[in-house]
Amino acid sequence: EVQLVESGGGLVQPGRSLRLSCAASGFIFDDFAMHWVRQVPGKGLEWVSGIAWNSGRIGYADSVNGRFTISRDNAKTSLYLRMNSLRPEDTALYYCTKDIFAALAGRGFDSWGQGTLVTVSS
Amino acid sequence: SYELTQPPSVSVSPGQTASITCSGYNLGEKYACWYQQKPGQSPILVIYQDTKRPSGIPGRFSGSNSGNTATLTISGTQPMDEADYYCQAWDTSAYVFGTGTKVTVL
Repeated sequence: EVQLVESGGGLVQPGRSLRLSCAASGFIFDDFAMHWVRQVPGKGLEWVSGIAWNSGRIGYADSVNGRFTISRDNAKTSLYLRMNSLRPEDTALYYCTKDIFAALAGRGFDSWGQGTLVTVSS
Repeated sequence: SYELTQPPSVSVSPGQTASITCSGYNLGEKYACWYQQKPGQSPILVIYQDTKRPSGIPGRFSGSNSGNTATLTISGTQPMDEADYYCQAWDTSAYVFGTGTKVTVL
């Protein structure tokens, strides 16, 4: 059974940093691309960032480009998101998701974690 | 930036067919997928690569994609299908989600 468990969320002041982690199990981690998707409670889904199976290709939404950094450790079957210069509009539930494909190719995300809540407020 | 537009809401009677549209420029030239999200739960992939169903997704869910519109069809809608539905596509190195559609089974 695929399991994705996010951690690292919490309350942080504007301008500060936070690092999210996602522990993956139940599948061959380095066979698949991985992503972070966020959702403001009661609102829609927003793709944040994605990383190919070998970290060879990485993408970011315009809203976080230059502030967030995605990475993965295939040996530890873990995905990370370093978030710098956080803004109140970054407040959301952040989901770790598994792609159905190895590359960033728009095929779909077939497994989702339960999410970790990030609140940016003074 | 690329945008995908969905109707805010769709209502359907039990046993009838619900169709949810997703509109975007030349969407038919990209892969579209669909997610179902029930209150308090994480999204679930119900259609990928325009028409394919992941294992475990009932056959009443189907998809199509042509021109500027992708469509998710739920045939024989059941009360358990009441949820929010989001389309998604990939455009110039970024994934885009649709605006979301709330399906109500009356």
